[in-house]
Amino acid sequence: KAGVTQTPRYLIKTRGQQVTLSCSPISGHRSVSWYQQTPGQGLQFLFEYFSETQRNKGNFPGRFSGRQFSNSRSEMNVSTLELGDSALYLCASSLEGGGPPGTQYFGPGTRLLVL
Amino acid sequence: DAKTTQPPSMDCAEGRAANLPCNHSTISGNEYVYWYRQIHSQGPQYIIHGLKNNETNEMASLIITEDRKSSTLILPHATLRDTAVYYCIVRGDRDDKIIFGKGTRLHILP
Repeated sequence: KAGVTQTPRYLIKTRGQQVTLSCSPISGHRSVSWYQQTPGQGLQFLFEYFSETQRNKGNFPGRFSGRQFSNSRSEMNVSTLELGDSALYLCASSLEGGGPPGTQYFGPGTRLLVL
Repeated sequence: DAKTTQPPSMDCAEGRAANLPCNHSTISGNEYVYWYRQIHSQGPQYIIHGLKNNETNEMASLIITEDRKSSTLILPHATLRDTAVYYCIVRGDRDDKIIFGKGTRLHILP
């Protein structure tokens, strides 16, 4: 089975621009979560989608948004980029079902540099 | 805030068992303990999880104390490829936010 894929892997943008990142979960996985990782703040939860609905949201400004499609693929968007948005953005998918909260499988991440 | 506390770093000799502690003194009855690791610049990798009983898989063993306030991840024969940041998290419900702490940076010494 293919793992979680994220595109693009690397991205350079300038302040004020917007960016869209894409995540394809493992086949059959219905939950997708997004994280931001920076050296200073570590791994921070952005949001989680399940069946096209946002189920949970972290403490990020409204410039960060996401969505999930009927095939479980997800995108996240950051508008009006700031220098501090430079980070590794990670996507994780999980298989929802009975039992414990789903184990998450992470993609390789998209490294965003804002100049 | 993270619900877990881990030492910031640890060393372990190659070939020896690496024992990584995690404190989760406020864990509630329905919360599971999960361990992940992140090798430099890669996405985190799931290792193991447990609720009450000790667990073992091909990667590691998880020992949870009887009061469930702490746990230990054991890598039985550490290799240089186990050098990574190890994260311990707790999560009980799918509505819970998933909060990663700072983790433990494990150095395997040749």
